[in-house]
Amino acid sequence: SQTIHQWPATLVQPVGSPLSLECTVEGTSNPNLYWYRQAAGRGLQLLFYSVGIGQISSEVPQNLSASRPQDRQFILSSKKLLLSDSGFYLCAWDGGGRAGYGYTFGSGTRLTVV
Amino acid sequence: GENVEQHPSTLSVQEGDSAVIKCTYSDSASNYFPWYKQELGKGPQLIIDIRSNVGEKKDQRIAVTLNKTAKHFSLHITETQPEDSAVYFCAARSSGGSYIPTFGRGTSLIVHP
Repeated sequence: SQTIHQWPATLVQPVGSPLSLECTVEGTSNPNLYWYRQAAGRGLQLLFYSVGIGQISSEVPQNLSASRPQDRQFILSSKKLLLSDSGFYLCAWDGGGRAGYGYTFGSGTRLTVV
Repeated sequence: GENVEQHPSTLSVQEGDSAVIKCTYSDSASNYFPWYKQELGKGPQLIIDIRSNVGEKKDQRIAVTLNKTAKHFSLHITETQPEDSAVYFCAARSSGGSYIPTFGRGTSLIVHP
């Protein structure tokens, strides 16, 4: 069966420090991978998505970046965190570029920038 | 692009009552409509979905209905229980253009014992 792992679960980082969040998927190949952010409140904001190794599409210009060094690994990074980067970060995957499949989300990372 | 409106933003019911959450979409090419449940501090979980060739789908106490003509779909939860308390998101995904789903803004469902 397919599983998605996201870590760390909680992170407190000072302003200006770097960030690296990792997401891995098991039990599938060539998944679409996504990073979402959920600020205080409920909305899901799409940050990045990837349809293959090395292919990254950015939805929101900001000081975050994403990389996909392996087929089932997706990394969210920042060189210098801002207070506004605080939020709940979610990784998700689906079964490819077809319209008929839902997401499987990871358990999320709660990032607090202080 | 697609636009998904979700109502209400908050829904409070007594245990045992029914709950209905409604979503409308704008893109007539959308053909896949999932619903997600997000419990506090966790990632959203897919609970039910419907495709455009089906008008209704049930899974125990939850059901989803789709009206393609009116471009709206709804989540129905019967015999609500306290563990149904969560934030629910609808989404719409198009068969054409971008396959990225558009999410509603979420409904916070509170079930009072």
